[in-house]
Amino acid sequence: QQPVQSPQAVILREGEDAVINCSSSKALYSVHWYRQKHGEAPVFLMILLKGGEQKGHEKISASFNEKKQQSSLYLTASQLSYSGTYFCGTATSGTYKYIFGTGTRLKVLA
Amino acid sequence: EPEVTQTPSHQVTQMGQEVILRCVPISNHLYFYWYRQILGQKVEFLVSFYNNEISEKSEIFDDQFSVERPDGSNFTLKIRSTKLEDSAMYFCASSPGQGIGTQYFGPGTRLTVL
Repeated sequence: QQPVQSPQAVILREGEDAVINCSSSKALYSVHWYRQKHGEAPVFLMILLKGGEQKGHEKISASFNEKKQQSSLYLTASQLSYSGTYFCGTATSGTYKYIFGTGTRLKVLA
Repeated sequence: EPEVTQTPSHQVTQMGQEVILRCVPISNHLYFYWYRQILGQKVEFLVSFYNNEISEKSEIFDDQFSVERPDGSNFTLKIRSTKLEDSAMYFCASSPGQGIGTQYFGPGTRLTVL
C-alpha cells in the first residue's frame, strides 16, 4: 500500500515556505525523500530512520514521526531550483522493498 | 563523482519481443534496484538485488522479468515478452547499504513498446 503525500501540488513564490507530508498505514523503518525534475531521474535529498529524528540539508529539512508513521519535508525560503516533483520512498520494518508515495508537484515562481 | 549509468537511453521494441536494459552501478555499492515510472506517474519499485540474488520484488515483477549481474560491473533487467503496458522509464539505482543507504539513481532508459 503506497504512502499518501499531501498536498498533491503547491505553487509558491520565491522565498516562501512549504511543507510536504508523507503518511503510511504501515510501520516504517526508513523514509527517503527525493526530488525529480521533469524528464530526469529522482535525486536523493535525505533519509530518516525510525526514532523520530529530524534532519536538515541547507534550507530543506525533514522529520519522521514514528508514532504517526508520517514524515514531513520542510522547504524554507524556497528558490526557483526547488521546483519539481517530490517523492517520499518508504521501507517498512523487516523489508527493503521501497514504496514511493504519490508525489507532490511543487512550482516556485519568481 | 561516481554515478550510475544506464544504456540505452531509449529503446523501442515490438510487442512480444525481449529487451535487456543495462546498468552499471557505482563500483563499491552492494545493493541494486530497478524501478519503473510510467509517464506522469509515481516511481514504482520492481526489485532489489544483493549478493547475486533477489532480496525483494514487487507484484509487478512477474515471470516475464528477470535480473542478472553477469559480471562485476553490469546489472541487467530482462523483459522476456514485452507488452504495451511495459512502456515506461526504467531506473536503476544502487546503494552502499540497504535500508539505511542513499540510493543513487541512473538517468533511466525510456522503453517504448509498439
